[in-house]
Amino acid sequence: QKEVEQDPGPLSVPEGAIVSLNCTYSNSAFQYFMWYRQYSRKGPELLMYTYSSGNKEDGRFTAQVDKSSKYISLFIRDSQPSDSATYLCAQEAAGNKLTFGGGTRVLVKP
Amino acid sequence: EAGVAQSPRYKIIEKRQSVAFWCNPISGHATLYWYQQILGQGPKLLIQFQNNGVVDDSQLPKDRFSAERLKGVDSTLKIQPAKLEDSAVYLCASSQQGSGNTIYFGEGSWLTVV
Repeated sequence: QKEVEQDPGPLSVPEGAIVSLNCTYSNSAFQYFMWYRQYSRKGPELLMYTYSSGNKEDGRFTAQVDKSSKYISLFIRDSQPSDSATYLCAQEAAGNKLTFGGGTRVLVKP
Repeated sequence: EAGVAQSPRYKIIEKRQSVAFWCNPISGHATLYWYQQILGQGPKLLIQFQNNGVVDDSQLPKDRFSAERLKGVDSTLKIQPAKLEDSAVYLCASSQQGSGNTIYFGEGSWLTVV
């Protein structure tokens, strides 16, 4: 079992829809989670990070962590074509080491 | 603030040849990482430096990969001899020292081994 898993997609939605992305993790020892966005032929850029359980909101983006089910989620409201990218979830272990999921490709159609 | 710089951006080599990638991290960042990202997968950590010392190289294929950060700033990742399965994007990243600090990635060096 991979430590962090996510559906590869692609996930195609119309402009303005809510994008819902999910990851599961297996190691409960580490409670920092990140979402990175990666455009084609670019490096990943940090979107949001969360610690332990609960919600965190930043503009159109909401990140959730459910410790009981080992589930992390990212919601994008009012999606725009510019949100078309690959979204990577990651878990931070000790020493600032990141374990990434495989990424979900998202396509927002105008 | 300048980001993480990498070069070359693209490289095509034949199998069994060698290649080197260079990285200049964000100024003041003590921690430097090299990640390998195979097409369709998430990045995988190859090696992590703290200043000029290696913190973790457990996933670095040491029979063919080497990396150094001699003066605690720039870093070089070398592959010799390259195999077809080394075709990937090599991402350099940096962060300030300590857990919880944001890791910033460069745009990557794209390697194709033919």
